[in-house]
Amino acid sequence: EDKVVQSPLSLVVHEGDTVTLNCSYEVTNFRSLLWYKQEKKAPTFLFMLTSSGIEKKSGRLSSILDKKELFSILNITATQTGDSAVYLCAVKRVGGTSYGKLTFGQGTILTVHP
Amino acid sequence: DAGVIQSPRHEVTEMGQEVTLRCKPISGHDYLFWYRQTMMRGLELLIYFNNNVPIDDSGMPEDRFSAKMPNASFSTLKIQPSEPRDSAVYFCASSPHTAGVGSPLHFGNGTRLTVT
Repeated sequence: EDKVVQSPLSLVVHEGDTVTLNCSYEVTNFRSLLWYKQEKKAPTFLFMLTSSGIEKKSGRLSSILDKKELFSILNITATQTGDSAVYLCAVKRVGGTSYGKLTFGQGTILTVHP
Repeated sequence: DAGVIQSPRHEVTEMGQEVTLRCKPISGHDYLFWYRQTMMRGLELLIYFNNNVPIDDSGMPEDRFSAKMPNASFSTLKIQPSEPRDSAVYFCASSPHTAGVGSPLHFGNGTRLTVT
């Protein structure tokens, strides 16, 4: 069974701090790893990573994948109160009846105080 | 693009009643997923469809749960009879089919179900 473990489960920081969220996984026939941000409603897509060592960046957020060690990190620099959310990591398998299916981790609850 | 549309937004019902949740995926998306989210278990996949055909329903908890997709623009998730432990947020998501590494899922805003 596919497994995705995120750490820490929750994190409280002050505005301006830099945070690193971790995601480790065990999955057969890995295809890709995705990060989502969930505020009050639906998870919204942040990044999809498929290759090791290539950093994806969007503003103050960046993420990288290590397929040898089976983990990914999500970095947020100069955090703002609007970054407060649950950050979800998910993995996707290759092909067969598992195509398209995402297995999610428990999420990291990030709280940014002013 | 209206996104994935779910209804109702909130549902409160009594144990034993039938509950039907509805979803309209993004037009042109081949895949439709039903997820359930609870504090204890996080986001769990219940079932997903490809071109209206159920592909994997191994996450459906038991026979009380059923899902249908009669056409490309509509799906339902039904719980009959409902139980308090079914209380959760139910998300519908869709994605297009693309070759290679696939596409991210696009989620609806969810239906918050409370069974008393």
